[in-house]
Amino acid sequence: QVQLVESGGGVVQPGRSLRLSCVASGFAFNSYAMHWVRQSPGKGLEWVAVFYSDGSKKFYADSVKGRFTISRDSAKNTLDLHMSSLRAEDTAIYYCARDMAAIGESYFEFWGPGSLVTVSS
Amino acid sequence: DIQMTQSPSSLSASIGDRVIITCRASQDIGESLAWYQQKPGKAPKLLLFGASRLQSGVPSRFSGGGSGTDYTLTITSLQPEDFATYSCQQYYGTPLTFGQGTKVEI
Repeated sequence: QVQLVESGGGVVQPGRSLRLSCVASGFAFNSYAMHWVRQSPGKGLEWVAVFYSDGSKKFYADSVKGRFTISRDSAKNTLDLHMSSLRAEDTAIYYCARDMAAIGESYFEFWGPGSLVTVSS
Repeated sequence: DIQMTQSPSSLSASIGDRVIITCRASQDIGESLAWYQQKPGKAPKLLLFGASRLQSGVPSRFSGGGSGTDYTLTITSLQPEDFATYSCQQYYGTPLTFGQGTKVEI
């Protein structure tokens, strides 16, 4: 069965960096676009970034553009999110999610359990 | 960006009730709409896509409808395990955007 497991969350000071990772299993990783979606405490869901299956495109939400970088390793079936210049408003649970298609312009068919990132001094 | 507005933001219901949640888009999204269920401390779970198509394994008491800018999620005969927060998401345009969620409480 499809499994997505995030890791790397924790408490980090404002302005510092953190890397999240997501290990995928149970499906052909190279065939699907992969996303990061976040949820601030008590708030709604916010799409963060996408990496298309063929590596041709990556897109970011305006709120993280220039600070976050999404990457994927097809040999290891992993999706990463490198977050830099972190702000208090980046505090959230970060979910790794699989698109239903190869291009990342659809809905999220599977989700990981999430990883909590807290930005605080 | 396409804005998604859900109503109500929360509702109280009883076991066996019929519940309707609405989602309005800021522009026509051509039925490119998904619904998710989220329980406390858990990840969202896909319920429906294409506005009305039930994801595999989701009980048939969940149904969706609508077109253009206005969509609904209906739960017929609410069950104890249905108490959760429900969110809509459009995938007509990028960035992909969500509604703010509707909490269904006892």
